[in-house]
Amino acid sequence: KAGVTQTPRYLIKTRGQQVTLSCSPISGHRSVSWYQQTPGQGLQFLFEYFSETQRNKGNFPGRFSGRQFSNSRSEMNVSTLELGDSALYLCASSYNWGGDSYEQYFGPGTRLTVT
Amino acid sequence: QQQVKQSPQSLIVQKGGISIINCAYENTAFDYFPWYQQFPGKGPALLIAIRPDVSEKKEGRFTISFNKSAKQFSLHIMDSQPGDSATYFCAASRGGNKLTFGTGTQLKVEL
Repeated sequence: KAGVTQTPRYLIKTRGQQVTLSCSPISGHRSVSWYQQTPGQGLQFLFEYFSETQRNKGNFPGRFSGRQFSNSRSEMNVSTLELGDSALYLCASSYNWGGDSYEQYFGPGTRLTVT
Repeated sequence: QQQVKQSPQSLIVQKGGISIINCAYENTAFDYFPWYQQFPGKGPALLIAIRPDVSEKKEGRFTISFNKSAKQFSLHIMDSQPGDSATYFCAASRGGNKLTFGTGTQLKVEL
């Protein structure tokens, strides 16, 4: 079974621009979560989607948003980029959501650099 | 507020030795505790996970020990190998897939 795939793998953007990152979960997985990883803040939860609905949200500004499609693929968008948004953005997929915690499998991440 | 504290920040172990990484949590509602291994340039890979109804879980050379009363859990890597050199993260979640991560431990296994 193929793992979680993320595109693009690397991205360089300028302050003020916006960016869209894509994630395809493991086949059969219906929940997708996004995390930001930086040297200073570590791994932080952004949001989770299940059945095209946001189920949980971390403590990030409204510039960070996401969505999930009917085939469980997900995108996240960051508008008005700031230098501090430079990070590795990780997508994780799990089989299900709700009532219990499920094993999550991460993709390789998208390395975003904001200049 | 950091809800999962991880130590040590870095660890050097000789080949064949035991690597031990510790985590402590504050939220007693957490009900799932996974460990992840991350190599440079890669995403975290799920190693092993435990739920609070058991005190120990072993998979190959990796063992999680869980102490519910102390709100602590640890990862033991037996017979550590140079290929185990990576960053290890503990995490916790409660009733869902939102993981709260520890700050990570850089493990180096020397020959």
